[in-house]
Amino acid sequence: SQQGEEDPQALSIQEGENATMNCSYKTSINNLQWYRQNSGRGLVHLILIRSNEREKHSGRLRVTLDTSKKSSSLLITASRAADTASYFCATDAGNQFYFGTGTSLTVIP
Amino acid sequence: EAGVAQSPRYKIIEKRQSVAFWCNPISGHATLYWYQQILGQGPKLLIQFQNNGVVDDSQLPKDRFSAERLKGVDSTLKIQPAKLEDSAVYLCASSGPLTNNEQFFGPGTRLTVL
Repeated sequence: SQQGEEDPQALSIQEGENATMNCSYKTSINNLQWYRQNSGRGLVHLILIRSNEREKHSGRLRVTLDTSKKSSSLLITASRAADTASYFCATDAGNQFYFGTGTSLTVIP
Repeated sequence: EAGVAQSPRYKIIEKRQSVAFWCNPISGHATLYWYQQILGQGPKLLIQFQNNGVVDDSQLPKDRFSAERLKGVDSTLKIQPAKLEDSAVYLCASSGPLTNNEQFFGPGTRLTVL
């Protein structure tokens, strides 16, 4: 499978702590995106980082990309209970789009 | 702006029956995607349309799955006949020239095959 692998599969933290999740992939990409999925709902786009970028910020989100290692990380700072969800990375390799296996994040109030 | 619409939201069928799902993308979005998401897994792309043409259907099980987007707007995904392993959420997404490669997802259709 060309799907990305995410690590950890599940993460449980206290409100206010930072959460870091990692994504590894197999092929060369044009960009990598992160999505959030609340239980029973569709996915919501969080942030996109292009292959020529190394780091990107959006609010409490920080994404890094290392194309030499074919890996990316998503950092959520000062987590809130509302951040509880599954997080997926998705790689865009032109006409091929693959989602990772996801990290389930639980933020305990 | 209206989001991606999907129907039905839930469907329960017996194995070997047929089922169809409908998706209406966001107005102006030329690209439409169908994904299959099995419980506990990430979404798997089944087919991608650009207007009414197929861009990628490499992961679509063509012996039983079919999809069309005849007028380049809404789309239908069909399974015929269904198997137990087809139980999943079927997600539709769309993107357009101004979305910067961001995909907008519908709420999905949860299919249970008994």
